[in-house]
Amino acid sequence: EAEVAQSPRYKITEKSQAVAFWCDPISGHATLYWYRQILGQGPELLVQFQDESVVDDSQLPKDRFSAERLKGVDSTLKIQPAELGDSAMYLCASSFTTGYNTEAFFGQGTRLTVV
Amino acid sequence: QQQVKQSPQSLIVQKGGISIINCAYENTAFDYFPWYQQFPGKGPALLIAIRPDVSEKKEGRFTISFNKSAKQFSLHIMDSQPGDSATYFCAASGGGSTLGRLYFGRGTQLTVWP
Repeated sequence: EAEVAQSPRYKITEKSQAVAFWCDPISGHATLYWYRQILGQGPELLVQFQDESVVDDSQLPKDRFSAERLKGVDSTLKIQPAELGDSAMYLCASSFTTGYNTEAFFGQGTRLTVV
Repeated sequence: QQQVKQSPQSLIVQKGGISIINCAYENTAFDYFPWYQQFPGKGPALLIAIRPDVSEKKEGRFTISFNKSAKQFSLHIMDSQPGDSATYFCAASGGGSTLGRLYFGRGTQLTVWP
């Protein structure tokens, strides 16, 4: 069964260091999302791509976060420098399109701990 | 501002009982209301979803009830089983520039004890 792949599964980094997460969506899915899930809360969108273009990054802290999807397939989310408050689960999701009721499939996430 | 409000935060149900989780929204542009199930250490997985043109949708033991006028929807889990123990999130999405973006509730941690 096709799934969204994320790596690494876990990451521990020191404050002020750089960290990067990678996501490979389901083949053929044009839309890719990065969500952040703080412990005990629901996921919140950080950035949404349609193919290689950003369509929504209104909630992305652009002073330290960046995201790219250069060839419209896999994607990288980077944090530099990491802060203690960035500790969370970072979830990647993909969908075939953003048409009516198109299901979003989530990966298993990257658990980030900033110390 | 929380776009989707979910309650209760936690729920304990006996095996065989009915679990009910409620959500409310304000944005009338929302036109897709999914429920996700999440186990510890895993990503959310779609459980069931509904559009606002129907008032109820049932899939096996899971039912969504939707009240468009009240802007509320709920998940009912019939004959709850220990394997249903997980965190459940309601969500909503709509058209416009945020097409596809999901707004999640804060989640309900369900525990079903034998």
